[in-house]
Formats: sequence, C-alpha cells, structure tokens
Amino acid sequence: AQSVTQPDIHITVSEGASLELRCNYSYGATPYLFWYVQSPGQGLQLLLKYFSGDTLVQGIKGFEAEFKRSQSSFNLRKPSVHWSDAAEYFCAVVDRGSTLGRLYFGRGTQLTVWP
Amino acid sequence: SAVISQKPSRDICQRGTSLTIQCQVDSQVTMMFWYRQQPGQSLTLIATANQGSEATYESGFVIDKFPISRPNLTFSTLTVSNMSPEDSSIYLCSPQKGYEQFFGPGTRLTVL
Repeated sequence: AQSVTQPDIHITVSEGASLELRCNYSYGATPYLFWYVQSPGQGLQLLLKYFSGDTLVQGIKGFEAEFKRSQSSFNLRKPSVHWSDAAEYFCAVVDRGSTLGRLYFGRGTQLTVWP
Repeated sequence: SAVISQKPSRDICQRGTSLTIQCQVDSQVTMMFWYRQQPGQSLTLIATANQGSEATYESGFVIDKFPISRPNLTFSTLTVSNMSPEDSSIYLCSPQKGYEQFFGPGTRLTVL
C-alpha cells in the first residue's frame, strides 16, 4: 500500500539551531514530492517540491529538501531556525502513475521553537 | 499558483443541521479536491470534483453526507449534511494545477 511516513510527531529546537524533518515514502516508483507548512489557524502553504532533476531542492523561507532514492526519503532541512518557523509540517506525495494526481499526506510533524 | 477563498471561514452549528461551504478560485482549474482535517490530525481526502462530472468519493465518505457541486471551473461547494460533533473539523478545498495542489485557509467547523 502507498504510504508516507513522518516518524517524528513533535520536534523541539532552539532558535538558531539547525533542523531536519524526516519523510519516507513507500511507492513502486519515485513519486512527486512536496513539503507543506501549516501555521496555527492557517491553511497549507507549499514550501517546496521535487519532480525531477537536481535532488537538492530549495524552497521558500530558507528551507531545502533532499531527495534520496536509495532511502525513499525526502527530508526537509533548515540551517538556522527562526521562532516564526513554529508550525505543523506535512510531507506529501503524488503517485506519478496516477491520472488523478491526488496527494497522500504524512501525519505531520509539529515544530516548537524555543527562544 | 492560485488564490483560494472559502466561505464561511468558521462556523458553529447544531447537530442535525447542514452547512454548505463555498470555494472560489481566482483561475480556472479542472480538478478540485476536498479535504477534512480533524483536530490534531493530518488531511484526509473526502472527494475529487471534476467539472462536469460526478464527484469521486474516498472510502468512508458518501455523497448523501457530503454532496459536492462543481458548476464551473472556478467554483465548488461541499455540504456537510446532518451534522454530528464528529464532523467538527477544518474543511479545505484544494484546486490542482498540473501536479501541484494549492490550499486556502479552510473552513473551521464546530458542531455542538
């Protein structure tokens, strides 16, 4: 079955520290990969996406993610976290073979930032 | 990208009543997805609405409970019928462009 795994439910980091949020997927072929952020009371905002090409992708707000085919992973990183990065982060995939193009979401990782 | 507006942004309803959520997109899109996000949970797909055809519902969701309309390429509605407290969630519409989906702020529904 298709699945998206975010193993960390909740991560706490200090402001200025580096961040890595993990995401693994289980699909027959490399899907399209996305990271979304949801601030409290807000909808989802697309941080970055990977379709093909360079496996290190840059997104908004200083985030980047690296696609590793051998590990079926698409981890999100930021070198220095700001207090405003506190939010819920969702990894999501689209099956390339699907004509529908629906998103499958991980359960999310809640990020808390200590001052 | 796409700019999405949903109405209402939030509502408090009594059990047994129905609420229709409107979703307006600033550009034409073929596919529209409707999601539910229960408190503290991830997003669950309710149905996919393609203009001019019946919506396709995911397992566990039925048309009688969540009827969807898609009268044109920029607008869709989702009705939550005969509501119960278990329907308290955020409901989000998501238009698709290519393989990207965009999200608005959603509708926060509380059922008493």
